[in-house]
Amino acid sequence: NAGVTQTPKFQVLKTGQSMTLQCAQDMNHNSMYWYRQDPGMGLRLIYYSASEGTTDKGEVPNGYNVSRLNKREFSLRLESAAPSQTSVYFCASSSAGAYNEQFFGPGTRLTVL
Amino acid sequence: KQEVTQIPAALSVPEGENLVLNCSFTDSAIYNLQWFRQDPGKGLTSLLLIQSSQREQTSGRLNASLDKSSGRSTLYIAASQPGDSATYLCARSRSARQLTFGSGTQLTVLP
Repeated sequence: NAGVTQTPKFQVLKTGQSMTLQCAQDMNHNSMYWYRQDPGMGLRLIYYSASEGTTDKGEVPNGYNVSRLNKREFSLRLESAAPSQTSVYFCASSSAGAYNEQFFGPGTRLTVL
Repeated sequence: KQEVTQIPAALSVPEGENLVLNCSFTDSAIYNLQWFRQDPGKGLTSLLLIQSSQREQTSGRLNASLDKSSGRSTLYIAASQPGDSATYLCARSRSARQLTFGSGTQLTVLP
């Protein structure tokens, strides 16, 4: 039981490049989330998916797109990376029946030059 | 707008001390409150979750309390150990989905 896994662990991009961050969970959770963590800002929600086939914007969705590929997988795409998107990105998942206790992956550290 | 505040931002204590970490939030509309631990360069580990109908939760040396009327939660750590050194984050949920995080308290327990 791996919990929540994320790939890659580290990535360096140039301004304007695109990339997709991958997330998968094996806990049969319905809901999945993408957060970014910046110094002094705490974690902020980018997008979430309450169930397979649905996605909703969070607090800071601009510059990102998401895909809920199936119940296990939730990807985050940066179409044209900007230096302001340099951050640590975390994926999380939760079960609707457990008061939304969220479980987090190890994170992806992204640097945009 | 900072909806969830954690004070202090950093705390250093000698091993063996009991300590309290504070979390406050701006309104009493709460679905649950969750405490996490984050080690440097790592993800978040869920420590305790308090449902809106509960006043406290305990796990080992950890006890978390929730006072909705005052908009406060505390995390009590008994008999602290160097292995407790980490950043502790609280997060408040207004609904069954979104969490709003505080900026965390960085705890150092000195041997």
